[in-house]
Amino acid sequence: GAVVSQHPSWVICKSGTSVKIECRSLDFQATTMFWYRQFPKQSLMLMATSNEGSKATYEQGVEKDKFLINHASLTLSTLTVTSAHPEDSSFYICSASGLAGYNEQFFGPGTRLTVL
Amino acid sequence: GQQVMQIPQYQHVQEGEDFTTYCNSSTTLSNIQWYKQRPGGHPVFLIQLVKSGEVKKQKRLTFQFGEAKKNSSLHITATQTTDVGTYFCGHTGFQKLVFGTGTRLLVSP
Repeated sequence: GAVVSQHPSWVICKSGTSVKIECRSLDFQATTMFWYRQFPKQSLMLMATSNEGSKATYEQGVEKDKFLINHASLTLSTLTVTSAHPEDSSFYICSASGLAGYNEQFFGPGTRLTVL
Repeated sequence: GQQVMQIPQYQHVQEGEDFTTYCNSSTTLSNIQWYKQRPGGHPVFLIQLVKSGEVKKQKRLTFQFGEAKKNSSLHITATQTTDVGTYFCGHTGFQKLVFGTGTRLLVSP
């Protein structure tokens, strides 16, 4: 149980285009989902916290107009990178909690974004 | 939340040697979690510690939470090549998980 999927697993796009990444909890209802970004050989940095039916809470320094987050249901959250630029190239990982509070987060497999 | 520092950043050991990574915070933590991320993969939850001085074991892995709840350690006995990856500590608070800086472990056969 507690499986989180992400789609796509990798994407290459041209500079200036927008990319949508989906995060789904497959076998449980995720009241809260999180989006992280990880640059090579670095730690995961939390970008935003997404609660179903409400606006996402963004971490300091993360542009909410550039990284649009929608958590429309208890099993789906989406991250849209708008007007992507090469510096947005990174590994984007979502996670979900919702089982017995917060003690464990379940991570998706990640999406590798390359912006040319 | 303030990012937690981990040392060392990187360690290369021979198979069979022991390995320890340390996680240090300047503030008291309500809990500490440990995750393992294989190369190219995503973090996988290993364990959570919540009590001062708590020690937990999982086979060859021993996890400790300091008495002051400001530091933690993960010790691997007799490493195997399957232990390769990056080990992150993290702590939860205000409804979010903040990761430590991570320790990358390489094990040579």
